[in-house]
Amino acid sequence: QKEVEQNSGPLSVPEGAIASLNCTYSDRGSQSFFWYRQYSGKSPELIMFIYSNGDKEDGRFTAQLNKASQYVSLLIRDSQPSDSATYLCAVTGNTPLVFGKGTRLSVIA
Amino acid sequence: DAEITQSPRHKITETGRQVTLACHQTWNHNNMFWYRQDLGHGLRLIHYSYGVQDTNKGEVSDGYSVSRSNTEDLPLTLESAASSQTSVYFCASRSSGTNEQFFGPGTRLTVL
Repeated sequence: QKEVEQNSGPLSVPEGAIASLNCTYSDRGSQSFFWYRQYSGKSPELIMFIYSNGDKEDGRFTAQLNKASQYVSLLIRDSQPSDSATYLCAVTGNTPLVFGKGTRLSVIA
Repeated sequence: DAEITQSPRHKITETGRQVTLACHQTWNHNNMFWYRQDLGHGLRLIHYSYGVQDTNKGEVSDGYSVSRSNTEDLPLTLESAASSQTSVYFCASRSSGTNEQFFGPGTRLTVL
């Protein structure tokens, strides 16, 4: 059974701080890793993907991957109230994506 | 712009009725997926397709069926709707090359 684990939260951070979201996965054959943002009542929106060990930066977002530890994270710098949402981690090895249940982030103004 | 659409966006039906949810994508993706999302369970895969005439069962396929007659569409049918199938349903399509997957806006289904 392939599993993706996330802390459900809520994770509360003050505006302007760094939010750190974490995810672990069970399948060592996983090759592609994704972060989705989902606002309440909306569909998941792809915000980051990473395929190689290390960091990948896109604007205020940084995805970090450590395949040896089977760990992927998302850092959000200068957090804004508009970042308040549920963040879903997803993993695949060319099979259907396996999703975590998501971490709810609340950015406090 | 390429997109993925779902219809209807909201549906109320009665137990025992057959219901079909439509999904249409203009990305020209071969891979399409249906999920349901419920509180406490996250996104759960119902059925998926890797191309025309290909369909596969996901983890919660009982009571659902799909067919893939062209690249653009993957309709989801509930053969005999049950109250346990009240949920939000998301269709998604995925690029074969990059594995990037995009979701439709969702259909909220209520079975009374």
